[in-house]
Amino acid sequence: DAGVTQSPTHLIKTRGQQVTLRCSPKSGHDTVSWYQQALGQGPQFIFQYYEEEERQRGNFPDRFSGHQFPNYSSELNVNALLLGDSALYLCASSLSQGANQPQHFGDGTRLSIL
Amino acid sequence: DAKTTQPPSMDCAEGRAANLPCNHSTISGNEYVYWYRQIHSQGPQYIIHGLKNNETNEMASLIITEDRKSSTLILPHATLRDTAVYYCIVRAAGDNNNDMRFGAGTRLTVKP
Repeated sequence: DAGVTQSPTHLIKTRGQQVTLRCSPKSGHDTVSWYQQALGQGPQFIFQYYEEEERQRGNFPDRFSGHQFPNYSSELNVNALLLGDSALYLCASSLSQGANQPQHFGDGTRLSIL
Repeated sequence: DAKTTQPPSMDCAEGRAANLPCNHSTISGNEYVYWYRQIHSQGPQYIIHGLKNNETNEMASLIITEDRKSSTLILPHATLRDTAVYYCIVRAAGDNNNDMRFGAGTRLTVKP
């Protein structure tokens, strides 16, 4: 039973470019959340998708957008990349949105901006 | 969501129990206590969660005080592979509480 898978594992971009990161949730899960983790800090919530809609958003600018597909997989898009966007981007999946449902994380995409 | 306080670092001898404390003195009745850990260059790993009662699974035990203002994660027989950053998170039920709010966590080092 595959867990949460993310691709690519590493990515290098330059300032101003755009990037798309991908996530496949754990089998049976229908909710996907995205987090950004800067070096030495805990993960910070970006947004969550359920039923192909953005249900909740953290304190991130509109340059960060996402999508959820009918098979529950998800994409994170970041436009006009800044040096400060360099981070580990984590995807987490869960069975529904309930607080009693743990989120299970993938190993992330390491994004480096030059 | 209630704020949590954890010691920044702890050491534990291999084979001994590791007891990681977490203070959440402002927790409310519908808030769950979650524990995750993160080993270097991996994503956070779910360990355990609970509401009021103590919980145990194959990884750890979670002891929540009767007033729910603090909890302890217990790794019964720590191994070198348990060296990681451990996060205690309080999570409320509700439509706008779908995020996990990570703090700085406790860096546990298991020593031979």
